[in-house]
Amino acid sequence: QQPVQSPQAVILREGEDAVINCSSSKALYSVHWYRQKHGEAPVFLMILLKGGEQKGHDKISASFNEKKQQSSLYLTASQLSYSGTYFCGTPTNQAGTALIFGKGTTLSVSS
Amino acid sequence: DTAVSQTPKYLVTQMGNDKSIKCEQNLGHDTMYWYKQDSKKFLKIMFSYNNKELIINETVPNRFSPKSPDKAHLNLHINSLELGDSAVYFCASKPGTDYGYTFGSGTRLTVV
Repeated sequence: QQPVQSPQAVILREGEDAVINCSSSKALYSVHWYRQKHGEAPVFLMILLKGGEQKGHDKISASFNEKKQQSSLYLTASQLSYSGTYFCGTPTNQAGTALIFGKGTTLSVSS
Repeated sequence: DTAVSQTPKYLVTQMGNDKSIKCEQNLGHDTMYWYKQDSKKFLKIMFSYNNKELIINETVPNRFSPKSPDKAHLNLHINSLELGDSAVYFCASKPGTDYGYTFGSGTRLTVV
């Protein structure tokens, strides 16, 4: 089951904040977040695990609500370099063998 | 120094041809993947290998055949290419369950 991301697109000015949401209809064992800039590969940002552990980017924060099967990515004081498409990914099974990605949220930051 | 490298970066070919994409990682990761990204940016899992063994084979036409000669390499061979195969193909790897992927730079395949 593909996770659902919202919103589809966000337009910001530098310094503004944004929240990107990711929800799943099935139980989540972990949630991954990636950013892809135009013409480039997706880059790992962070992983959120059950129990509250997080690994990854130190300037981006995220939350993971296991009961609600949701995660949110918080982009505060956005910079031009934050522009890109953000994907959340959820494991296909508890072993975390592979990820299913959401359709992505496109973030555009202007000066 | 490239962690996950794919070749070629661009591939333009005619319908019906057979082509291969190569992927190599120097990170010592156990698990490697092939993902397909279509024109709408949807990233879809195709195959997953763990230490040379196939562990995931999603609903992919059998014209696509992955081959992993060793833990560091995962190649993708595509037979009888069709227009709908045009996409960007990403190779990725990760060291274990609770770790993120490292993606290769992608191969843009265009079938004409």
